[in-house]
Amino acid sequence: DAKTTQPPSMDCAEGRAANLPCNHSTISGNEYVYWYRQIHSQGPQYIIHGLKNNETNEMASLIITEDRKSSTLILPHATLRDTAVYYCIVRVKAGNTGKLIFGQGTTLQVKP
Amino acid sequence: EAGVAQSPRYKIIEKRQSVAFWCNPISGHATLYWYQQILGQGPKLLIQFQNNGVVDDSQLPKDRFSAERLKGVDSTLKIQPAKLEDSAVYLCASSLRDTHSYNEQFFGPGTRLTVL
Repeated sequence: DAKTTQPPSMDCAEGRAANLPCNHSTISGNEYVYWYRQIHSQGPQYIIHGLKNNETNEMASLIITEDRKSSTLILPHATLRDTAVYYCIVRVKAGNTGKLIFGQGTTLQVKP
Repeated sequence: EAGVAQSPRYKIIEKRQSVAFWCNPISGHATLYWYQQILGQGPKLLIQFQNNGVVDDSQLPKDRFSAERLKGVDSTLKIQPAKLEDSAVYLCASSLRDTHSYNEQFFGPGTRLTVL
């Protein structure tokens, strides 16, 4: 079972920041938080991941709370092309690697 | 750089028939994954290969599903015989590295299977 809880849907105005929350209260100390998104009729796309520090790349920022029980993905200037299902995933450790267990995600609708 | 290729894109079969899907990962990617995505749900991992060896197939219904990656490059996923509940999108993904600290998976466009 997925170890994360996300709101089923959110709206955001084009050009504004989109803040997508995720709860992962049972996360273990060595488990990473990953974010993927899936645009309609496409395969999922990696966005960002982190362990305990905040992370930023060209697509988004990831803010992880100090207790690591929740995180927020920030799309700084949302565009219509950011409309997608966003998955917050705690990557479960499996041997020397890990496994992505997808939940149902948050459907983000960016509106003009 | 070419992405993950999958074929066919769409397949319609009747229950109890057989079907096979093909995946060609990004060149040089050692790890290959097959996922099943039922409408309205997130993808579910069916099987993971590292080169041509199976790393995880715990979620693969082995009585009807099989997968192989004989030369450590492309892969096929087969369903025999298909059931109505197998209707889903079958996604293939690959990754260059799969360590505990880093795993960026690149997904193909998927094959949409409809079982009538």
